[in-house]
Amino acid sequence: EAEVAQSPRYKITEKSQAVAFWCDPISGHATLYWYRQILGQGPELLVQFQDESVVDDSQLPKDRFSAERLKGVDSTLKIQPAELGDSAMYLCASSFSTGSADTQYFGPGTRLTVL
Amino acid sequence: ILNVEQSPQSLHVQEGDSTNFTCSFPSSNFYALHWYRWETAKSPEALFVMTLNGDEKKKGRISATLNTKEGYSYLYIKGSQPEDSATYLCAGYGGSQGNLIFGKGTKLSVKP
Repeated sequence: EAEVAQSPRYKITEKSQAVAFWCDPISGHATLYWYRQILGQGPELLVQFQDESVVDDSQLPKDRFSAERLKGVDSTLKIQPAELGDSAMYLCASSFSTGSADTQYFGPGTRLTVL
Repeated sequence: ILNVEQSPQSLHVQEGDSTNFTCSFPSSNFYALHWYRWETAKSPEALFVMTLNGDEKKKGRISATLNTKEGYSYLYIKGSQPEDSATYLCAGYGGSQGNLIFGKGTKLSVKP
């Protein structure tokens, strides 16, 4: 069964360092999402791509976060510089399209710890 | 802004017990409700997508119902097993939000 791949699974970094996360969605899925889940909260959307275009990045802290999906397939989320409050689980998901009833398929996430 | 609430926050049951959780959401401008199961160290797994008032969906021992008029969904697990231990997330799609809004989840622990 096709899965969403993410790497690394765990990342420990010091504040002010740069970190990057990678996501490979299910083949054929045009829509890709990055979520952040802070402990005790539900996942919160950071950015949504339709192919290579950003559809929604209203919750992305653009002073330090950036995301790209250059060829409309895999995607990278970067944080520079990392802050203590960025410690969280970063989840990537993909779906065939953007409809409200389209199932989003999640990867295993990257657990980021900022020291 | 769509606000999704889940209760209880956590639940501890014995193997064989049946249990249920609640997800509540604003009933106006509702489009869809998604349920996920998230086991530790694994990917969140999609369980159900529900759109119509009165919808009932079933997957093995797990079932869900949807009431869009009053703004809630119930998830039922019949005869809980230790492998059902996970966090169950619901997410709503509606209002002015063009994306899923997740609740905080219900953490279920099933003791053998």
